[in-house]
Amino acid sequence: QKEVEQDPGPLSVPEGAIVSLNCTYSNSAFQYFMWYRQYSRKGPELLMYTYSSGNKEDGRFTAQVDKSSKYISLFIRDSQPSDSATYLCAMFTNAGKSTFGDGTTLTVKP
Amino acid sequence: GAGVSQSPSNKVTEKGKDVELRCDPISGHTALYWYRQSLGQGLEFLIYFQGNSAPDKSGLPSDRFSAERTGGSVSTLTIQRTQQEDSAVYLCASSLGLAGGPGEQFFGPGTRLTVL
Repeated sequence: QKEVEQDPGPLSVPEGAIVSLNCTYSNSAFQYFMWYRQYSRKGPELLMYTYSSGNKEDGRFTAQVDKSSKYISLFIRDSQPSDSATYLCAMFTNAGKSTFGDGTTLTVKP
Repeated sequence: GAGVSQSPSNKVTEKGKDVELRCDPISGHTALYWYRQSLGQGLEFLIYFQGNSAPDKSGLPSDRFSAERTGGSVSTLTIQRTQQEDSAVYLCASSLGLAGGPGEQFFGPGTRLTVL
């Protein structure tokens, strides 16, 4: 069993839809939780970074962490075609070791 | 520099040859990470440096892989006796460090390695 499992997708939604991306994890040593966006043939770019259970909002993006259930989510409101990309969840221990999900490819259709 | 740079951007090599990949982190970033990404997959953690030391080498796939960092800046990832399964994009990232958490990682564009 992988330490991090990400809903595989792919997802295809109409412009303006709300998108939900999810990951579960098994290692309770993970303390920091991140979401990255990766466009084709580019390096990942950080979208959201959090270290506690609860919600964190940044514009159209909301990251949700539930440490008791070992579950994290990223919500995208009013999705735009420019949001079309692969989204990766990532988790870090205090010792700096990171584990990424396999990614979910999102397509937002105009 | 403006961001993390990696060289070469593309590398094609023959099975059995050694390759060296280079990463120039953002100036002042003490933490540096190497990842491998195979086609359609997430990132596989290889190694990270805090300054010049590598507290965790457990992600290196085999003893053919090694990495070093000198002067707290440039890092090289060396793959000896390359195999076809080593073909992937090798990504480097840097961040300000681990005090209070890993912080925001900035990724380079990657080196696309193809082993024939």
